[in-house]
Amino acid sequence: DTAVSQTPKYLVTQMGNDKSIKCEQNLGHDTMYWYKQDSKKFLKIMFSYNNKELIINETVPNRFSPKSPDKAHLNLHINSLELGDSAVYFCASSSRLAGGTDTQYFGPGTRLTVL
Amino acid sequence: DQQVKQNSPSLSVQEGRISILNCDYTNSMFDYFLWYKKYPAEGPTFLISISSIKDKNEDGRFTVFLNKSAKHLSLHIVPSQPGDSAVYFCAATHNNNDMRFGAGTRLTVKP
Repeated sequence: DTAVSQTPKYLVTQMGNDKSIKCEQNLGHDTMYWYKQDSKKFLKIMFSYNNKELIINETVPNRFSPKSPDKAHLNLHINSLELGDSAVYFCASSSRLAGGTDTQYFGPGTRLTVL
Repeated sequence: DQQVKQNSPSLSVQEGRISILNCDYTNSMFDYFLWYKKYPAEGPTFLISISSIKDKNEDGRFTVFLNKSAKHLSLHIVPSQPGDSAVYFCAATHNNNDMRFGAGTRLTVKP
């Protein structure tokens, strides 16, 4: 069973379109994240949700909107896609137990290409 | 701002030898450090971690060393195997807040 899954794996779309990437984890974790791996290969955090509540919202255009219907899902919706949005997006999850450590488990990534 | 830096984009090592991957950080508040391994077309997978109260953590062939005064950590793989060929990301976090990643080092282990 895949612990953290993302769909789709590849997404090619035109500028200006709206698209969503889905993420699901079956690890029972209470915290989920979205990362963007840019052209320089840096993994940059975009959002973090704990128990369906937004914790971290880095400087990300408001065209990006995360949606967490429940603890096991964190979807990423992107409006009005731009060329610069082309990247690989990784979902991750972790369990923020008190005094615990934040080892994150990553999904396989979604390669988004905006034409 | 890149608070975590991996200055070597690539490293090539002969099978059986030691691989040493380096990582530097700028934020002295980081209290937990991790190494992730990433194969092509897959997400990063957790490899080994170290708390700031320690200077060494060992797990099988993998050892992470932390030098807080130098704000430097390193991952040692001994002996290196061809299956270790991957991109290795160093990451750091403070109080379990958002994790900062380096740009990664591509390790190639030659048979």
